[in-house]
This record gives sequence, structure tokens and C-alpha cells, in this order.
Amino acid sequence: DAKTTQPPSMDCAEGRAANLPCNHSTISGNEYVYWYRQIHSQGPQYIIHGLKNNETNEMASLIITEDRKSSTLILPHATLRDTAVYYCIVFGTNAGKSTFGDGTTLTVKP
Amino acid sequence: GAVVSQHPSWVICKSGTSVKIECRSLDFQATTMFWYRQFPKQSLMLMATSNEGSKATYEQGVEKDKFLINHASLTLSTLTVTSAHPEDSSFYICSASYRGSGANVLTFGAGSRLTVL
Repeated sequence: DAKTTQPPSMDCAEGRAANLPCNHSTISGNEYVYWYRQIHSQGPQYIIHGLKNNETNEMASLIITEDRKSSTLILPHATLRDTAVYYCIVFGTNAGKSTFGDGTTLTVKP
Repeated sequence: GAVVSQHPSWVICKSGTSVKIECRSLDFQATTMFWYRQFPKQSLMLMATSNEGSKATYEQGVEKDKFLINHASLTLSTLTVTSAHPEDSSFYICSASYRGSGANVLTFGAGSRLTVL
């Protein structure tokens, strides 16, 4: 499964959009892009996933480039509770073979 | 939505004892579950894949006799840390995949923090 690269940390002002990038240049055609976040001492929480089209749900939007080698998670109006480590992972049919990188620590500031 | 329940959320035990952690899929059947370990300020590390009705598959470097995994039903997998030692203290997390929006989506338990004295 493809590995991903994310910036180690980002800051965002409360109420502003948070844009978290992820590179997955070795992604295969049948692999989806998934985003999770982990708040301290909790299990990861699913946010959103996509294959090649942009996706939006009640939590966030996912923008995937046309070549699928990178994506951006957008939190449209960040709140203090969005402070967490955000993981971008990719996998196909074998979910357990997904590799968690170090993620991006997003800090939302008042 | 799919929910995975993990129990206990935290446990403290004496060195040399064994500890069992349960992982249940509450509203879906999970033929496969996954166990992870996470040290402070580090990412999740996959330990093993738990398969219903068969032996678990362990990642390289994970001692199968140390971390016993049983997946006796479609909704329950257990991880037993045998003869625990202080270096086994960690945050253990399980997950299961379900079919959602055309893809296999992983859903995670809340995690179990083990402290071995």
C-alpha cells in the first residue's frame, strides 16, 4: 500500500478554514484516500474518504488532484475542538495493510 | 454508523500478570479486525490482523506468544498481553473494516491504556 507524506504541524485561527495537505504519489488505481483524526488518548475518528472525485460531508471536504498523487482535507470553519493529529492513509481492499505515518498536528488557536 | 467498542479503556496491572482487552463490532459483522499499539507522541503501529475462525497474522517483530489474539465470533476479537512487563505499557487500539460508500472503511475503538507496574 502507498505511503503518505504530511507536514508535521499546522496552525489555524478559529473560524477560518484549515487546509491539510497530503502527498501519496505511489497510490495505486484501486486505492482510496482516507482521512482520520486522533484527539489525545482516543482512538482515531473517521472523517472522510475518496477515490478520485472530490467529496464533502458534514465534517469536511476532500479535494483529490486529477493525477491522484495528492489531496487536501478542508475543515471549513475550524473550532478549538478540531485540534488533533490528522492522518491521511491510503489502501485498497486490505484495510489492515494501511500504513499510518506521523500525521499532521493541527492546532486551532483562538 | 459502524461502531467498535473496546474494553477496558484503561487497566493497571502488576508485572507478570496477563491482561485481556476486548474489541466488539456493535452493529456489523467483522470477519477481520486489526490491533495496533501506540507509544506516546508516536503514530499507530499495526501489531496483527485478527481473522474470525482462524489464526491471527502478526506483523514482523511482534511476539505471537506474548500477544495472544482470539477472534471466536464475527463481532468479538480479544487481545491478551501475557506475562506483562513495564515495557508493554502502551495504548492499544483495535479496528474493524466495514463496507461504506463503495470502499472499506476502518472504524476504530476508543483504545485501551495499559500500565504495567
